[in-house]
Amino acid sequence: RKEVEQDPGPFNVPEGATVAFNCTYSNSASQSFFWYRQDCRKEPKLLMSVYSSGNEDGRFTAQLNRASQYISLLIRDSKLSDSATYLCVVQGAQKLVFGQGTRLTINP
Amino acid sequence: EAGVTQFPSHSVIEKGQTVTLRCDPISGHDNLYWYRRVMGKEIKFLLHFVKESKQDESGMPNNRFLAERTGGTYSTLKVQPAELEDSGVYFCASSQDRQSNWDTDTQYFGPGTRLTVL
Repeated sequence: RKEVEQDPGPFNVPEGATVAFNCTYSNSASQSFFWYRQDCRKEPKLLMSVYSSGNEDGRFTAQLNRASQYISLLIRDSKLSDSATYLCVVQGAQKLVFGQGTRLTINP
Repeated sequence: EAGVTQFPSHSVIEKGQTVTLRCDPISGHDNLYWYRRVMGKEIKFLLHFVKESKQDESGMPNNRFLAERTGGTYSTLKVQPAELEDSGVYFCASSQDRQSNWDTDTQYFGPGTRLTVL
């Protein structure tokens, strides 16, 4: 079983739609949680950290449920520029553990 | 401020040859990490330096891989001899050393080196 599992995707949605990604992790000792974004043939870039209280950054909302070991990302009013691969990432003892990523394409 | 840089951006070598990848972290970052993504798989951790010391090398696949960080600045990752399954994208990342708040210490990634072993 993978340490971090994500929706396989790909997701193809029209511009303006709301899209949700889900992720589960297996290591209950994990300390920190993130969503990274990776554009084609580019490096991963931090999109946002994820906290138990939930956090929002503009059109993006992330939630963490430690009891269920579940992380989510919601993108509202999606833009063409949101097209990318979204990586669910868990941190324990400083190293990052990545999910395989979910590819999102926003269609005009 | 310059980000993490990696050299070369691409490398194509034959099986059995040696390749050395280089990473220059963000200036002042004590933590340096190597990760790898092979085709169709998730990005996986290889090892972590704190300054010049190896903190965690649990992800290194085998003894054909040797990482160094002399002087605690740039790092090299040597693969010798290279095998077909070593093909992939090798990412380097760096972060500051904030012991009191390590769990929110963002890792910044370099553009990666795409290695192809023929």
